[in-house]
Amino acid sequence: DGGITQSPKYLFRKEGQNVTLSCEQNLNHDAMYWYRQDPGQGLRLIYYSQIVNDFQKGDIAEGYSVSREKKESFPLTVTSAQKNPTAFYLCASSITNLSNQPQHFGDGTRLSIL
Amino acid sequence: AQSVAQPEDQVNVAEGNPLTVKCTYSVSGNPYLFWYVQYPNRGLQFLLKYITGDNLVKGSYGFEAEFNKSQTSFHLKKPSALVSDSALYFCAVRDMNQAGTALIFGKGTTLSVSS
Repeated sequence: DGGITQSPKYLFRKEGQNVTLSCEQNLNHDAMYWYRQDPGQGLRLIYYSQIVNDFQKGDIAEGYSVSREKKESFPLTVTSAQKNPTAFYLCASSITNLSNQPQHFGDGTRLSIL
Repeated sequence: AQSVAQPEDQVNVAEGNPLTVKCTYSVSGNPYLFWYVQYPNRGLQFLLKYITGDNLVKGSYGFEAEFNKSQTSFHLKKPSALVSDSALYFCAVRDMNQAGTALIFGKGTTLSVSS
């Protein structure tokens, strides 16, 4: 089945540690996105990429980094600079970044602090 | 700047009754509008979208939404609610003239359908 796979489903981070969340899609979509979801705050955009080897900061990029070396992969690194990383992280993709295209979502990674 | 408001944190309805989940938006140009549903510990599932044309849009699972340009609203509706419709619902918008930007999501509305 085509879709978006996020791994791991649950992740724990120690103080001062960087962790990387995986996002892979086999939909042949050009655009990919990372969102952070906190209770009562909806989805906030961290980074997005319209094409391979290109990405832009979203509203809350500080403390996060991404890469887009392959079309199907858009990993997110939560660095030690992100002081409040506990949240539900959602990856999404769309055919292109044209305005009328819906985004397709993975099932998320829940990150917690040890 | 683009924005989306979902004025109700929670909507409670009885099974079999009609439901409405409200959404208003603000964009500088014309909007593309979307509704998504999220079940616990899952990603968002696309329900429907308004691009252009008929103001009443039909989507998945019997949901529909009505675009009202004068009121800048895009309310989600269903004639007869099911217990299984209980979930978190998100409205999202993008300005038609701003390609290259991501969707802007509302904060979500929890729908609770009682049997």
